Amino acid sequence: TAGITQAPTSQILAAGRSMTLRCTQDMRHNAMYWYRQDLGLGLRLIHYSNTAGTTGKGEVPDGYSVSRANTDDFPLTLASAVPSQTSVYFCASSESDMNTEAFFGQGTRLTVV
Amino acid sequence: GQQLNQSPQSMFIQEGEDVSMNCTSSSIFNTWLWYKQEPGEGPVLLIALYKAGELTSNGRLTAQFGITRKDSFLNISASIPSDVGIYFCAGGTNFGNEKLTFGTGTRLTIIP
Repeated sequence: TAGITQAPTSQILAAGRSMTLRCTQDMRHNAMYWYRQDLGLGLRLIHYSNTAGTTGKGEVPDGYSVSRANTDDFPLTLASAVPSQTSVYFCASSESDMNTEAFFGQGTRLTVV
Repeated sequence: GQQLNQSPQSMFIQEGEDVSMNCTSSSIFNTWLWYKQEPGEGPVLLIALYKAGELTSNGRLTAQFGITRKDSFLNISASIPSDVGIYFCAGGTNFGNEKLTFGTGTRLTIIP
């Protein structure tokens, strides 16, 4: 069972460039999330989507955008990357927005130089 | 946003010892979750708690939902090398669009 698949696994990106992190789930979960994980700060929510066609801002949304055109895919875009966006990014999903058991992908390690 | 204080930040224990870690919050949660993260992987759900006072086990792991709904603890009995990793607590409110709040993690290292 694939669960949640993230791509790429890692990336080095020049500051000012744009990039889209991909996330696909095959569990037909309604809710999906993007987190960033930084040392000493734990997991912080960037954006979320309660269901296909809707999105919302999390704790640290600035510099990121998301879309949810269908149930399975939830891409995260950095329009103009900055070094402070160097982090490990995790996509997650849950059955519904009220069921908080979230299942995580393996992460994308992004380095902005 | 809400803050979760997770302690200890790190633990160095000998194989076979028991482990205890906890999370506290200044506000109430309706759900407490415990995750484990191994190097290069995403967090994996270990135990989910939904009721104040609830005590739930998963093999050698036991977690409790504090009666005040502001805390939770995780115990690991008779630790083994594969228990190494970072353990995260997470609290959920199920109110509107409030999502999970994560603790900063407890890094567990086991000395053979």
